[in-house]
Amino acid sequence: EAEVAQSPRYKITEKSQAVAFWCDPISGHATLYWYRQILGQGPELLVQFQDESVVDDSQLPKDRFSAERLKGVDSTLKIQPAELGDSAMYLCASSGQVGSEQYFGPGTRLTVT
Amino acid sequence: GQQLNQSPQSMFIQEGEDVSMNCTSSSIFNTWLWYKQDPGEGPVLLIALYKAGELTSNGRLTAQFGITRKDSFLNISASIPSDVGIYFCAGPYNAGNNRKLIWGLGTSLAVNP
Repeated sequence: EAEVAQSPRYKITEKSQAVAFWCDPISGHATLYWYRQILGQGPELLVQFQDESVVDDSQLPKDRFSAERLKGVDSTLKIQPAELGDSAMYLCASSGQVGSEQYFGPGTRLTVT
Repeated sequence: GQQLNQSPQSMFIQEGEDVSMNCTSSSIFNTWLWYKQDPGEGPVLLIALYKAGELTSNGRLTAQFGITRKDSFLNISASIPSDVGIYFCAGPYNAGNNRKLIWGLGTSLAVNP
């Protein structure tokens, strides 16, 4: 069964350091999403790609966060510098069409100390 | 703005009991999605609903798309310990030229063996 892959699963970093997360969507899925989820809340969309293009990054804190999907397949989300408030679960999802069902990876649990 | 209200917020039941939870909105949706999230994992899509009045099952889970298109229900029959987790409803909506998912805050389910 096709799955969304994410790595690492867990990351502990000190504040002011840089951190990067990787996501490989389900093969053939053109739409890729990065979400941040704080404990006790639903996922919050950070950035959405359609192929290699960003279609929505309105909630991405662009002063410290960046995301890319250079070849329209896998994607990287970076935080530099990390802040204590960035501690959260970072989820990647993909879908075959915009607005259809989204399939999630296992997530990366980030702890900033 | 768009908002999904899930209830109950949490449930604590005995193994073998049936469970019912719902999701309501002030706006009409054309699709309802139900996800389950285990601790430390990404959400897993359980059921997708596309038509008002639709009733769809997935094993012991049954979900219904409300006739008004403003609500949806998820039922779990004969609960077992592995049903423990947080259940989220989500629905796609138009945001400018893009379609996004809006999420409820989740129903946390605990099952006493």
